[in-house]
Amino acid sequence: DTGVSQDPRHKITKRGQNVTFRCDPISEHNRLYWYRQTLGQGPEFLTYFQNEAQLEKSRLLSDRFSAERPKGSFSTLEIQRTEQGDSAMYLCASSLMGTQETQYFGPGTRLLVL
Amino acid sequence: AQSVTQLGSHVSVSEGALVLLRCNYSSSVPPYLFWYVQYPNQGLQLLLKYTSAATLVKGINGFEAEFKKSETSFHLTKPSAHMSDAAEYFCAVMGGQKLVFGQGTRLTINP
Repeated sequence: DTGVSQDPRHKITKRGQNVTFRCDPISEHNRLYWYRQTLGQGPEFLTYFQNEAQLEKSRLLSDRFSAERPKGSFSTLEIQRTEQGDSAMYLCASSLMGTQETQYFGPGTRLLVL
Repeated sequence: AQSVTQLGSHVSVSEGALVLLRCNYSSSVPPYLFWYVQYPNQGLQLLLKYTSAATLVKGINGFEAEFKKSETSFHLTKPSAHMSDAAEYFCAVMGGQKLVFGQGTRLTINP
């Protein structure tokens, strides 16, 4: 049973560019989450999917951010027109729907916007 | 809304000493509580979770936490610290379907 994987692990981009991150959840997990973690802070929820449906989005998720999970398996998170304030670690987690479910995290994608 | 507060952004203990990391929660419903550990440049690894069964929860790597409703606390302990325990520790509460995390506590182990 492989864990949650994320690609790329690191991304450096210039302000104004678009970036896309990918997350592959644990294979049988039907829920997938995105969080953002800035330096010295705990992760903050961005959005989550149940199968291919995006069920909740945080107010942190501005209209420059879009997430998809087209076939209910992997997910992508795109940031358009990146800003320096977008520099953070982007974490993906997955879980199996049910009571007392546990979220398992991937290694994260560290984004640096210059 | 659910929230957690971790008391102490940085805790330093000697190798072999007791580790105590503090977490207080606020929740309008019976909470599901979690402790995660994060090593540098890595994702979060689950240490343990409380889901309204036993109030004393045992986790991996010798850690345990006790749920105290009267004190709204879920402190993490380990009897004897090891150098490999040096990391960032996060307490979290389930809010709806999402996790709400505390600010984290950085644990340093002195030889």
